[in-house]
Amino acid sequence: QKEVEQNSGPLSVPEGAIASLNCTYSDRGSQSFFWYRQYSGKSPELIMSIYSNGDKEDGRFTAQLNKASQYVSLLIRDSQPSDSATYLCAVNSNSGYALNFGKGTSLLVTP
Amino acid sequence: EAQVTQNPRYLITVTGKKLTVTCSQNMNHEYMSWYRQDPGLGLRQIYYSMNVEVTDKGDVPEGYKVSRKEKRNFPLILESPSPNQTSLYFCASSSALAGVGYEQYFGPGTRLTVT
Repeated sequence: QKEVEQNSGPLSVPEGAIASLNCTYSDRGSQSFFWYRQYSGKSPELIMSIYSNGDKEDGRFTAQLNKASQYVSLLIRDSQPSDSATYLCAVNSNSGYALNFGKGTSLLVTP
Repeated sequence: EAQVTQNPRYLITVTGKKLTVTCSQNMNHEYMSWYRQDPGLGLRQIYYSMNVEVTDKGDVPEGYKVSRKEKRNFPLILESPSPNQTSLYFCASSSALAGVGYEQYFGPGTRLTVT
């Protein structure tokens, strides 16, 4: 079983701060990494994808990938109360067609 | 508008009564997949399809069937639903089968209750 691990949280940050979300994965063959945001009762919404080592920035979001250490992280700058949601890390291995999800980290941004 | 649609959005049924949840995408995606989401267990893949007439089991396929007769549609069939299939179900699609471009886009979800 290919494992994707996330701290369940909740992670609480004040409005305007940087939120840092982390994810580790077990399959060294993994090549595609994704972050989804999910509001309660809603469907997962893709916010970032990353395929190579290093940082990828999109607006207030930065994804960081370190394949040697098998972790991927998501930074949210200038956090807003509307960012309060569960963030899902998803990993695809090149040995299969499945997308494996972590159980998610709950983020709470307080005004 | 590019989207994945599911129907019904909410369904309450009784044990043993066959049901089908439909999924359709208008993005001409090759890959489609079904997931269920349960508290504390996260998203788990039920079945997936790489193309028309090509399907394979995910992590939790027991009690489910799928078919892919057309590229845009991927229905999920529960031939004899049981209470342990009460869950939130999501359909997803992707233009790629793996690797770069393998972003999956999700439908709005179907909340199923089996009594």
